[in-house]
Amino acid sequence: DQQVKQNSPSLSVQEGRISILNCDYTNSMFDYFLWYKKYPAEGPTFLISISSIKDKNEDGRFTVFLNKSAKHLSLHIVPSQPGDSAVYFCAASVGPNFGNEKLTFGTGTRLTIIP
Amino acid sequence: GAGVSQSPSNKVTEKGKDVELRCDPISGHTALYWYRQSLGQGLEFLIYFQGNSAPDKSGLPSDRFSAERTGGSVSTLTIQRTQQEDSAVYLCASTREGQNEQFFGPGTRLTVL
Repeated sequence: DQQVKQNSPSLSVQEGRISILNCDYTNSMFDYFLWYKKYPAEGPTFLISISSIKDKNEDGRFTVFLNKSAKHLSLHIVPSQPGDSAVYFCAASVGPNFGNEKLTFGTGTRLTIIP
Repeated sequence: GAGVSQSPSNKVTEKGKDVELRCDPISGHTALYWYRQSLGQGLEFLIYFQGNSAPDKSGLPSDRFSAERTGGSVSTLTIQRTQQEDSAVYLCASTREGQNEQFFGPGTRLTVL
């Protein structure tokens, strides 16, 4: 049972344009969401997160949007740069926001930025 | 060290052998997690340690898998009588108390022939 779903295995975007990566979840108990970026032969690197009490969080070129009623979140990268080419994982956790909760990951979306 | 380190980076073993994978978390991080990523899959939670509390073993796929965390720091994941379906990248992560953002090591790629 895949509780976190990334339905697009791959996405190609022109350099300078906006990249939008999507994620859906089924467990209504999830209350904290994270995006990770992964290069080949490296571990995932934390990008940005959002708590369920918010619907948007922005950090530089990265913005995460959360739609709780639709159980959907998205990561926007603008402008996209060649170094953004990587696999992006969506993750979610359940808990009282005290932290240190295990994460449930999606299967990832491979983003390719075309120069 | 500056980040989470794991060893070995690659391990090839024969079916039926035991393997041990090691994780050194970031100094001062109280929580340590093991995940694995099989080909074409997302990261699958295996086990996590939080301070002196009993570990959450709910993700371990079978009793052939076990893990220890000694002295609240280094952790070892042991897989006994390895099977071909155990082939995956095994990732370790750690985090500070009160945080949800986990910091990952580079992983150990395990191949069971």
